[in-house]
Amino acid sequence: AQSVTQLDSQVPVFEEAPVELRCNYSSSVSVYLFWYVQYPNQGLQLLLKYLSGSTLVKGINGFEAEFNKSQTSFHLRKPSVHISDTAEYFCAVRGGGSNYKLTFGKGTLLTVNP
Amino acid sequence: GAGVSQSPRYKVAKRGQDVALRCDPISGHVSLFWYQQALGQGPEFLTYFQNEAQLDKSGLPSDRFFAERPEGSVSTLKIQRTQQEDSAVYLCASSKGAGLVNEQYFGPGTRLTVT
Repeated sequence: AQSVTQLDSQVPVFEEAPVELRCNYSSSVSVYLFWYVQYPNQGLQLLLKYLSGSTLVKGINGFEAEFNKSQTSFHLRKPSVHISDTAEYFCAVRGGGSNYKLTFGKGTLLTVNP
Repeated sequence: GAGVSQSPRYKVAKRGQDVALRCDPISGHVSLFWYQQALGQGPEFLTYFQNEAQLDKSGLPSDRFFAERPEGSVSTLKIQRTQQEDSAVYLCASSKGAGLVNEQYFGPGTRLTVT
């Protein structure tokens, strides 16, 4: 079975500060990792994904994440956040026999303050 | 182009009532997924269709939950005899296929409140 742990339920930061949202996963098979963003009253939008290759992946809106197999982590980073980045962020994993199924963490609410 | 749409966006049901939630996937998308997102939680997988075939319903929490996609396009999630624990946002997603290269596109969800 797979699981995802997002270590912080809420992360408040000031505008233009850097941010890191942490994600750890557990799986007995190869996994494929994703970060989604959810703005209020909207559906989930894919930010970035790691399937294979380079462990540093770049996504939309200036976000990036690094896959670390030894630490089973996939932390999301942005060097300078904007007010508009305020949203809920979900880390998710797909893999194993039913690799169409997404398993999500509980989410991290990023609040960017002026 | 049009994304995944869901209706209604909000539904209030009294305990014991039946509800039907609709999902219109992106045109041409073969795969369709339903997820349940309880308050303060991440989405959890309910069921998966490939065209009209329901290939995985392992996430449906009880036999009160039933999903269908009779013509391989629009899907309906039905909940019979709703209970308070059914209160959640129900998300629908569609993709061109089930493979990893195919992104799942999510709709805005239906927020169900059972009173």
